[in-house]
Amino acid sequence: DADVTQTPRNRITKTGKRIMLECSQTKGHDRMYWYRQDPGLGLRLIYYSFDVKDINKGEISDGYSVSRQAQAKFSLSLESAIPNQTALYFCATSDLTRTGGDYEQFFGPGTRLTVL
Amino acid sequence: GNSVTQMEGPVTLSEEAFLTINCTYTATGYPSLFWYVQYPGEGLQLLLKATKADDKGSNKGFEATYRKETTSFHLEKGSVQVSDSAVYFCVTMEYGNKLVFGAGTILRVKS
Repeated sequence: DADVTQTPRNRITKTGKRIMLECSQTKGHDRMYWYRQDPGLGLRLIYYSFDVKDINKGEISDGYSVSRQAQAKFSLSLESAIPNQTALYFCATSDLTRTGGDYEQFFGPGTRLTVL
Repeated sequence: GNSVTQMEGPVTLSEEAFLTINCTYTATGYPSLFWYVQYPGEGLQLLLKATKADDKGSNKGFEATYRKETTSFHLEKGSVQVSDSAVYFCVTMEYGNKLVFGAGTILRVKS
């Protein structure tokens, strides 16, 4: 079973619609992240959460909101979708690794969102 | 903030060829450096990492050395396989465990 799951895997919607992307993890990690991937731009951080009561904006948070419902669940919402939010969205989790104190991040399989 | 620049792709090689994907970074201090790989249709996974200057990360035949003098972390493999075809991301880290990604380099290996 996958440790980090995302639903849906693919979604096509129309401009102005509200969309929620969900992420669940069974790794027991405290930290969760949402990224978007655009061709030629790599991944950019949208929001991140270090625990259930902690939510932080990333590099490109405008037009997005998040909810950390539990340690294992982190949802991303687009309140009113627009075409330039068409992208591949990834959820990731992390925790303190056992060596070196580095926080390796573990990624879900991604959600491909198309806004028409 | 920190940033990463990696060579543009796609890079197309024949099987068993030598691979180099260049990566340079700008950063405050000496952050950890990573290479992540994204196979077709999948999420990203950590390929290798280096946490301090002169460290060499290695995995699955890939290697990269953290060079603070040249602020580089080039990815190399001596003999690529078709199964290595993927997108490779050079990544650094900012305060708060935030990853900063390069644009990604597409690698295509032909048999």
